[in-house]
Amino acid sequence: AQTVTQSQPEMSVQEAETVTLSCTYDTSESNYYLFWYKQPPSRQMILVIRQEAYKQQNATENRFSVNFQKAAKSFSLKISDSQLGDTAMYFCAFMKPSGANSKLTFGKGITLSVRP
Amino acid sequence: SQTIHQWPATLVQPVGSPLSLECTVEGTSNPNLYWYRQAAGRGLQLLFYSIGIGQISSEVPQNLSASRPQDRQFILSSKKLLLSDSGFYLCAWSVRRGHGGYTFGSGTRLTVV
Repeated sequence: AQTVTQSQPEMSVQEAETVTLSCTYDTSESNYYLFWYKQPPSRQMILVIRQEAYKQQNATENRFSVNFQKAAKSFSLKISDSQLGDTAMYFCAFMKPSGANSKLTFGKGITLSVRP
Repeated sequence: SQTIHQWPATLVQPVGSPLSLECTVEGTSNPNLYWYRQAAGRGLQLLFYSIGIGQISSEVPQNLSASRPQDRQFILSSKKLLLSDSGFYLCAWSVRRGHGGYTFGSGTRLTVV
């Protein structure tokens, strides 16, 4: 079974600075997908970024980018120019393609606070 | 465009009472549907998923059940709630055989008293 580990329960960053959220996973699969989801105080889960394991290039979405290290099974999220609206819980998630259903396995999440 | 609706947003129920949470998806056909629970300060636990009408898979043994009476409707139920059923429940959908991740509903905060 796949596991996703987010070892840092909380982090804090000053507005406009850069912060990196860590995530590691365990799998024996070679083809899979990785995700970062954001859950703001409203508790709506929002997809931030997605990475395909067979692509070496790191995914980027505006101020959000990932550092995907396949051999190390590491998938960190970098948030540049942090904004107050980035304050949220962030979840790392793993998906193994599996026929008609591909289930997402989530880490326990990290609470990020952006200080003004 | 696709949208997902989940209700109610908040629910306070006494121990031993029944539960029914509903989730519907619009703008797509044959979606995969999921129920997750998020306990306070913890991650998301997959409870049930469905790849079609009447097809339900349970991930963990518990006091809850799920049903899919229509293609785009997913219902989470319980006959008798326990205190441990309290939590935040999220419904989600994905494209069949898709790898683009899930789209989540806005969630239901359930408090069993």
